[in-house]
Amino acid sequence: AQSVAQPEDQVNVAEGNPLTVKCTYSVSGNPYLFWYVQYPNRGLQFLLKYITGDNLVKGSYGFEAEFNKSQTSFHLKKPSALVSDSALYFCAVRDGGSSGDKLTFGTGTRLAVRP
Amino acid sequence: AAGVIQSPRHLIKEKRETATLKCYPIPRHDTVYWYQQGPGQDPQFLISFYEKMQSDKGSIPDRFSAQQFSDYHSELNMSSLELGDSALYFCATGRRDANSGNTIYFGEGSWLTVV
Repeated sequence: AQSVAQPEDQVNVAEGNPLTVKCTYSVSGNPYLFWYVQYPNRGLQFLLKYITGDNLVKGSYGFEAEFNKSQTSFHLKKPSALVSDSALYFCAVRDGGSSGDKLTFGTGTRLAVRP
Repeated sequence: AAGVIQSPRHLIKEKRETATLKCYPIPRHDTVYWYQQGPGQDPQFLISFYEKMQSDKGSIPDRFSAQQFSDYHSELNMSSLELGDSALYFCATGRRDANSGNTIYFGEGSWLTVV
């Protein structure tokens, strides 16, 4: 079975400060890891993914994430937050060793960036 | 760039009625996923298709069925609707490729309200 944990329901940060949204995962095979962002009443937008290779992955809108195999984590980061980054962020995992291909999502973390 | 198209965007049905949601994938995408997102919840995987065959099954009620057609569009049929079926239904599509981890892209969702 595959699962994702996002331990923080909400993260608050001031504009211009760095932000981190945490994610840990559990899979039996190799993990394929994803971050999506959801704005109110909208669909999920793909931000970035880790499949293999460099542990630091860069994505859209200045976001990046670091894959840490020993800690089974894939935290989302951004050096300088913008008010427009305020949204709901979902971490997701696919087990590369399973025959199924669904993504399993975490419970989401609401990011609030104050001016 | 073309995105995933879902229709209708909103629909209101009465209990015990039937509803059909449609999904048109991004061109050349061969996989379709259906997710259900309740208010304040993370997306829950319902069912997926690859090349018109069911590829994975999640928490889809027996009252629901889905299929993928020869043009790769998909339909989710929901019968004997219950109040608890009120949710945002997402379709996501992707192109199966082991090297890319099969990133999936979401539509804007169909809001179903059962009254």
